[in-house]
Formats: sequence, structure tokens, C-alpha cells
Amino acid sequence: NAGVTQTPKFQVLKTGQSMTLQCAQDMNHNSMYWYRQDPGMGLRLIYYSASEGTTDKGEVPNGYNVSRLNKREFSLRLESAAPSQTSVYFCAIRGGYTEAFFGQGTRLTVV
Amino acid sequence: QKEVEQDPGPLSVPEGAIVSLNCTYSNSAFQYFMWYRQYSRKGPELLMYTYSSGNKEDGRFTAQVDKSSKYISLFIRDSQPSDSATYLCAKRDAGNMLTFGGGTRLMVKP
Repeated sequence: NAGVTQTPKFQVLKTGQSMTLQCAQDMNHNSMYWYRQDPGMGLRLIYYSASEGTTDKGEVPNGYNVSRLNKREFSLRLESAAPSQTSVYFCAIRGGYTEAFFGQGTRLTVV
Repeated sequence: QKEVEQDPGPLSVPEGAIVSLNCTYSNSAFQYFMWYRQYSRKGPELLMYTYSSGNKEDGRFTAQVDKSSKYISLFIRDSQPSDSATYLCAKRDAGNMLTFGGGTRLMVKP
């Protein structure tokens, strides 16, 4: 009963490096989301995917790309990391009317 | 002005107290309102969601929406130390985006 699994849990990058955050779900839901959480700012939507093969920008998409590989997996890529991307990243899936299940988060530090 | 505002706290209460957590929002188009609980270093978990004005109750938790004043509240009865967490309110409008408040940190002391 993993629900939503994110990898890695922690990562330190140097400015300019790239990396991909992985998210996988075992709940067979169509909609998947990527959020970032910064102190005092709540969660902000980066990208979402309403179904396999579709992706859309959220509130803060600049500097990120996403891939909906299949129904289970939704990845977030940072092509050239910047210190402003230091954050905690959460993947979520939608059950019913809202994002009901979140992963445990990826803590990313860009130095 | 942020679309959804919360007092960041921390709010400290004794065990057994009734807790009131509040949010205000600025856009009348909001349709659905949610409350999430987030323990330290964990992902948010959905507590409750509501569509209309009025109250919705689930165990010790009551969510209240007042659309006329653009105010949403979460009440916790008989608060427990295990309720110590950050509480996030959120709204969804006619589109597909969820907008979160900054969260209120609650501490329930034994």
C-alpha cells in the first residue's frame, strides 16, 4: 500500500546541474501533480497531468519540465538547477474532487 | 495579496482544548475548500473538503465555510498532542488549480 512514492528523498545539487525527480503511484488515478513547498508560502503547483499523455503548467513552471511516462509515473526535471529551486517537492494524485494523496517529498538543496 | 491567507502561528493550546484554525480568501469564484494536515517532514494528508457554505463534521473535526465573508475555519474538539502539526487550507476554483494558504502550525501540549 505504497500510494505515492517519490525518489530520491534528499538531494544536493550544484548550480547548473540537472536531475529528475521521480513519482510513481499504485492507486490507478488519472491526475498527477507536482508541487513545491517553501517556508511560509504553502504549496505551489509546478505542473500537472490530467491523464496519460497530457501535461499542463501550473503557477510556477519556469525552470522545470515534466514527463508523464505512463499512468503510474510522472517525473519532474530540472535542466539547470538554480539556488531559487531549493525547496521541498511533493508529488500528489487526485482522488475525487481534490488532491487526496501526497508523497513523502524530496528535499532539494541547490548550492 | 495572496489569494488564501492563514496566520502562520504557532498556536499553542493545552490538551483537551477546542482549536479554531482560520483562513480568508480573496476570490469569489472558489468552489471547493479543503483542509490538510502536515506532520513535520511528511507530505500533507487530506482531512476534509467541502463545497458549499455551512458546516461539515467528521469525528472531532468540523469544517465551516462562510462564502459571504470569504472565511473558512477548521475546529478541532478535544485536541490531542497527536494533533500537533501544520494545518493547510486550500481552495479549488472552476479550473484545475489548487491554491494553498501558508499553513498554521498547531502545538497541543499534554
